[in-house]
Amino acid sequence: KAGVTQTPRYLIKTRGQQVTLSCSPISGHRSVSWYQQTPGQGLQFLFEYFSETQRNKGNFPGRFSGRQFSNSRSEMNVSTLELGDSALYLCASSSGTGMRGYTFGSGTRLTVV
Amino acid sequence: DQQVKQNSPSLSVQEGRISILNCDYTNSMFDYFLWYKKYPAEGPTFLISISSIKDKNEDGRFTVFLNKSAKHLSLHIVPSQPGDSAVYFCAASANGANSKLTFGKGITLSVRP
Repeated sequence: KAGVTQTPRYLIKTRGQQVTLSCSPISGHRSVSWYQQTPGQGLQFLFEYFSETQRNKGNFPGRFSGRQFSNSRSEMNVSTLELGDSALYLCASSSGTGMRGYTFGSGTRLTVV
Repeated sequence: DQQVKQNSPSLSVQEGRISILNCDYTNSMFDYFLWYKKYPAEGPTFLISISSIKDKNEDGRFTVFLNKSAKHLSLHIVPSQPGDSAVYFCAASANGANSKLTFGKGITLSVRP
């Protein structure tokens, strides 16, 4: 069974640009969440989607947005990039049942210069 | 306001000895707790979890203890192995294993051969 796939793995963008990150969940998983990891801050919740609907949202500015498609694939978009947006962005998927929580992808490393 | 705290940033233990990783939380609504392990350049992987109705859960070398009155949980690894060297994140949820997770900042475990 394929795991959570995130593309691209690495990305370098310039301040002020926008970026779109992609996530393909485990087959059959309908719930997708996004997290931002920065040094010293741990993982911070961005948003959660279930069946194409945003179910939960973290405390990030409106520049951060996401969506989920009918096949459960998800994208997140960051507009007007700032240097502080440099981070590892992690996508995780869940079947919604069981005790093992979310399965994470390997992440997209975004560097803003 | 950090609701999940891992106050020690690092821990170093000798191979074969016990590793004890601590985690404190402040939100009494949390009802499910998980530990994730993370290697560099990879996403977090699920290690073990515990529901708030239990005080102990064991899986092989890994045991998680929950003290609800103290809002404290700990992960015990016995015996510790060099391959256990990684960053360990404590996470909590207010709605079971498959909803939004609030993470601590992580603790880096080094197991010396």
